[in-house]
This record gives sequence, structure tokens and C-alpha cells, in this order.
Amino acid sequence: EPEVTQTPSHQVTQMGQEVILRCVPISNHLYFYWYRQILGQKVEFLVSFYNNEISEKSEIFDDQFSVERPDGSNFTLKIRSTKLEDSAMYFCASSVQLAGGSTQYFGPGTRLTVL
Amino acid sequence: DAKTTQPPSMDCAEGRAANLPCNHSTISGNEYVYWYRQIHSQGPQYIIHGLKNNETNEMASLIITEDRKSSTLILPHATLRDTAVYYCIALRGSSNTGKLIFGQGTTLQVKP
Repeated sequence: EPEVTQTPSHQVTQMGQEVILRCVPISNHLYFYWYRQILGQKVEFLVSFYNNEISEKSEIFDDQFSVERPDGSNFTLKIRSTKLEDSAMYFCASSVQLAGGSTQYFGPGTRLTVL
Repeated sequence: DAKTTQPPSMDCAEGRAANLPCNHSTISGNEYVYWYRQIHSQGPQYIIHGLKNNETNEMASLIITEDRKSSTLILPHATLRDTAVYYCIALRGSSNTGKLIFGQGTTLQVKP
């Protein structure tokens, strides 16, 4: 069964450093998403992406964040200058369509720890 | 997208059916009801979704009331591995972003 994969599973970085979190969505999916979950809190939407453009971004997704689909298989989330409060689980998801009726499938997540 | 309300926690005996309720009284006609679950800090796992009709798959059944203001997720024979946080989410059929809004969900504890 196709799965969304994410690498690395755990990333430790120093405050102020850049990190890139990588995702390989399900192959025939066209819509891609990033969510995050701070320890003990809710899963929060960050951004949705389609046709090489951001469809929607949340207030969390400020200028320090960017997304890219550099090739036909990868989808990346970059944080330019990490802060302590960026420590969280980051989940990638993908779907065939955006609309209701189309299911988003999530990856296992990357645990980002900012020291 | 409509707000959903779920009880914060529930217990269920292993082998028995787990019935998880969700209230979505402001749901509109084109909003789907989705159920996901999250085990520990793993990625949310899709369970089932529906619009108007009841749905069943290999994991669960979804019962939606006729007025669509509430629904129930049924795990027919709960196992210890079903212990997780269960999320009920409404998503518009015409959504142009696909954003899923997660609440606090229901923590289901399956007990031996």
C-alpha cells in the first residue's frame, strides 16, 4: 500500500540554523500539505501546495518557512533560522484532490528539536 | 468548515464495540465528516469519511444522523492497539485548500 514517507525521523539543530525536512508524497497525488504538532498540543495546519504554488498558509507559516517541490517526487519544508519554539513534530500529507471526499494521507513525521 | 465537538475521553473493554460520538450541528450540506486517529506521536491515520450515507470499511463504520448534525464512529471489536486519540473533522467538498482543522479529539483507552 502506498505511503507518505518523511526523512529524517529526528532532526536536532541549534537555534538560528536552517533545516530542511523532506517528504515523499504518494506518487499519484497532486496536493501536498505540512502540519505540525508541538508536544502535548493539537495538530496544526501550516501550508497546502498545488501546482508549484502555495494554496493556503496559516499564520504560523511566516517568512522563515518555505516549501518546495524540487523534483517529481520530493516535497520539502525549509525553516531558515530555527527558533526554540519551532521544536515540534512535523507531518507531511498528500491527497489526490483538495476537496472533501478526497483523503489526506499523513507521513510518520519528523521530530525537530531546536537547542 | 463546521466546528466539531467530541468528548475528551472514553474507555472501552477489549473485544467490545467502541462508539465514538461527534457533534457537528452547524455542518453544511457539502461538508464531509472525516475521522482520523493518532497513536502516540505518530502521523494521523485516516479511518473513514462520509457525506450523508453511513459508511463501512475494514477499520470502522460511520453512522451519520439523518439531519447530519452528529455522527458516530464505530470500531466493532476494539483491541488494545486501538488505544489512540480520535479526531472528527468537517471538510467542505468545495474546499480550495484542503486544510484539516484538528481539535482535541477523544482519547480512547481500550482496556483488557
